[in-house]
Amino acid sequence: ETGVTQSPTHLIKTRGQQVTLRCSSQSGHNTVSWYQQALGQGPQFIFQYYREEENGRGNFPPRFSGLQFPNYSSELNVNALELDDSALYLCASSSQGALGAFFGQGTRLTVV
Amino acid sequence: GDSVTQMEGPVTLSEEACLTINCTYTATGYPSLFWYVQYPGEGLQLLLKATKADDKGSNKGFEATYRKETTSFHLEKGSVQVSDSAVYFCALKSNAGNNRKLIWGLGTSLAVNP
Repeated sequence: ETGVTQSPTHLIKTRGQQVTLRCSSQSGHNTVSWYQQALGQGPQFIFQYYREEENGRGNFPPRFSGLQFPNYSSELNVNALELDDSALYLCASSSQGALGAFFGQGTRLTVV
Repeated sequence: GDSVTQMEGPVTLSEEACLTINCTYTATGYPSLFWYVQYPGEGLQLLLKATKADDKGSNKGFEATYRKETTSFHLEKGSVQVSDSAVYFCALKSNAGNNRKLIWGLGTSLAVNP
């Protein structure tokens, strides 16, 4: 077990709604990255947070936003949900500068 | 831009067969290379990594060697088990500039039959 926990594990939302996904990073890790993994695809980088500030962003629209808290846990918020947002959302924690990251089990979001 | 290309799956093998999953990459500079594994219903787990040319990463009987001359990082195992059935992802992380993200291949599904 990696120590990275995500909640909820599954979620169903309606198009146009907003959703918040949560991630608790592994103890001692100050960096959290979020990825979107569509069915049958590799993960796509959404953004990364380091010490409560966004520290890199992938090719996702502004309706994808995030937060990192002083305890290094993090939230991913998605506004105005679209059907194509249906995916597994993965959170990964690491220490800044570390090579490998530890992933949570993910949140499976279904938009109907 | 940087990219990772993996062999397409699914790969189906019998127990104790040899496994090779090809991975090649395109990157500026000298990236770090990774293999992650995703078991059914679970998140991604780091399987092995290599940070410089000719490094060999190994774990759980799996190996991969960082080949800069062929820009490859093929995953190998001499004798697979049913419990190895999973999706395997090759990934790279650029060490240039402020790049923070892992860049992933599409994944290769492996099914091992008893």
